[in-house]
Amino acid sequence: DIQLTQSPSFLSPSVGDRVTITCRASQGISSYLAWYQQKPGKAPKLLIYTTSTLQSGVPSRFSGSGSGTEFTLTISSLQPEDFATYYCQQFNSYPLTFGGGTTVEI
Amino acid sequence: QVQLVQSGAEVKKPGASVKVSCKASGYTFSNYYIHWVRQAPGQGLEWMGIIIPSGGSTTYAQMFQDRVTMTRDTSTTTVYMELSSLRSEDTAVYYCAKGGSSSWLDFWGQGTLVSVSS
Repeated sequence: DIQLTQSPSFLSPSVGDRVTITCRASQGISSYLAWYQQKPGKAPKLLIYTTSTLQSGVPSRFSGSGSGTEFTLTISSLQPEDFATYYCQQFNSYPLTFGGGTTVEI
Repeated sequence: QVQLVQSGAEVKKPGASVKVSCKASGYTFSNYYIHWVRQAPGQGLEWMGIIIPSGGSTTYAQMFQDRVTMTRDTSTTTVYMELSSLRSEDTAVYYCAKGGSSSWLDFWGQGTLVSVSS
């Protein structure tokens, strides 16, 4: 199975900060990576797929980059509604796997 | 608009089975895979498997292989996930999610809490 390691596990930025979350895969996954945002008590929401394609309706302050084994999610200017937990997910092969999550908290 | 509406919360005893439903609407049901993902309290996301609505074929994660069954009813555009031999560690929120053009998950159900306790 492909392991995904996210870092950091927790972030405590301020509104307006630039935030970067890293996801490292245990083997190459080409560009087959997605990012999700989850708020407490809610289902995850797709933000980005295939490394850098923004899902419809997602604000442009979110962006993704990387390939192979190292990927990043960047929030260019953190907004109050962005405080949440973020997960990466690989879809290079089954079983699909998720990173452990990064909590962005006040 | 795409909607996935799941059945309500369940409380089960160890050793029992649970069957969670997921009714899809707002898109062509047969064209997109449905995935099941679970999340234990305070934990991360764990993929359980997929079902291809058009033919009903399934792929399960190995850790659930012996205990999970995913089925679908095309007449009602509903997918089911049944998990047997429940244990306390199966206490979690279970989500169904629609696959995109590939296996990213673009729309999610609201989740179904399954509690396993004696």
